[in-house]
This record gives sequence, C-alpha cells and structure tokens, in this order.
Amino acid sequence: GAGVSQSPRYKVAKRGQDVALRCDPISGHVSLFWYQQALGQGPEFLTYFQNEAQLDKSGLPSDRFFAERPEGSVSTLKIQRTQQEDSAVYLCASSLGGGVYEQYFGPGTRLTVT
Amino acid sequence: AQSVAQPEDQVNVAEGNPLTVKCTYSVSGNPYLFWYVQYPNRGLQFLLKYITGDNLVKGSYGFEAEFNKSQTSFHLKKPSALVSDSALYFCAVRDMANAGKSTFGDGTTLTVKP
Repeated sequence: GAGVSQSPRYKVAKRGQDVALRCDPISGHVSLFWYQQALGQGPEFLTYFQNEAQLDKSGLPSDRFFAERPEGSVSTLKIQRTQQEDSAVYLCASSLGGGVYEQYFGPGTRLTVT
Repeated sequence: AQSVAQPEDQVNVAEGNPLTVKCTYSVSGNPYLFWYVQYPNRGLQFLLKYITGDNLVKGSYGFEAEFNKSQTSFHLKKPSALVSDSALYFCAVRDMANAGKSTFGDGTTLTVKP
C-alpha cells in the first residue's frame, strides 16, 4: 500500500526566503509528526498532530516555524525567513495514534539554505 | 526531560556472529521503547517495540530486544548477523505521560562483514 509521501524531496532556498514542506500521511492514520534531522544525528521532534489538533509544538525551534494540518490529513511545515541553520532533512511520520503505536516515516525533504 | 543514548557510533561484526546494538534511556515515567532501521536511501523503518509485559520482544528480520528497567536499557540483538543487516539503527523512547513526543538516539551504524 501507499506509504508516507513528502514533497519536495529536495529544496534549495536562499537565506530569507519562505519555504513550505508537504506531508501526505498513510490514509487513516490519526497522528502525524514532524522531525528535523541534522547530518549524523537522530531525528529531533518538532511537532505532533492528532487529527487536525496540534497537541505538542514544543520542538519548534523558533516562531519562524509553523505547522498545520487543517483537515486532519495532509500537513504542511512552513519555515519563514529561512536561515542557514535551518538546513537539515525534515522527516514526516504518521501512525494510528500516539503512545504505543509505531511511526511510519516518509523519505524526508532535504532543505539547503544558501 | 527524556533522552536516549546510543554509546557506539559503529558496531562491526562478522556474518553469522551474534550482534548487539546498545541503547539506554531516561524518562520521568514509564517508557515506550522503539527500534528503527534506516537502509541507504530509504526512510526509517520500524523494527520492534516494548510497551509492557514480557521484557524480551521480538521483531522483524529476526531481531529482538531486551527491556531492562533497572539498567534503563533496551539493547537490540540478533543471534546470527547477515550482511544485509548492515544499516543505521535508531533507538527511540516515549514517556507514557507524554505519548506524542519521541526522543531518538543519534544512531549506530552496523556493518556486517562476510
């Protein structure tokens, strides 16, 4: 079946530009997660949705980062006024719920800010 | 705060030998523990999880892991390694009281030599 998809797979942005990263979760998955992964490190939690409700955004590094999931399915992570330190792979994952359920990850979007 | 440590950046084993990839964790409450694997140019894939009950859990591809509450460890094991097991392995923890946020270790690269 279809897994989690993310687009674009690669994005190059000039410093100061806004970017939008899209995530299509597995159909029927209630929970959706965003992570930031720097080179050589594990994924760092950014935010978590249950349906359309954003239940935890404690990992968003600044107010330049904003995520939404308006209809409880597709999600968008937006980064305003990108900075070089925003360069990373952004991973999206979905699951049947939080807690005991494992996550299914997308291939990631590699963002490079020049 | 919750954290995960994977003390070995690299583990090298010969094919047919047993393998262990170490993970220790810290959470305030009771943990949910997960192992994920990342093959080159592929997204993270779920291997196994500990939620409650039997301390020895079995997962995909012949892998197993043992939950040790007193040592706060969740080491990944396999009795006989295959060359195809070579990949990047991540341990992750969730606190039962904060069931959305996962914290990942920085990963361990497993290399199995023929």
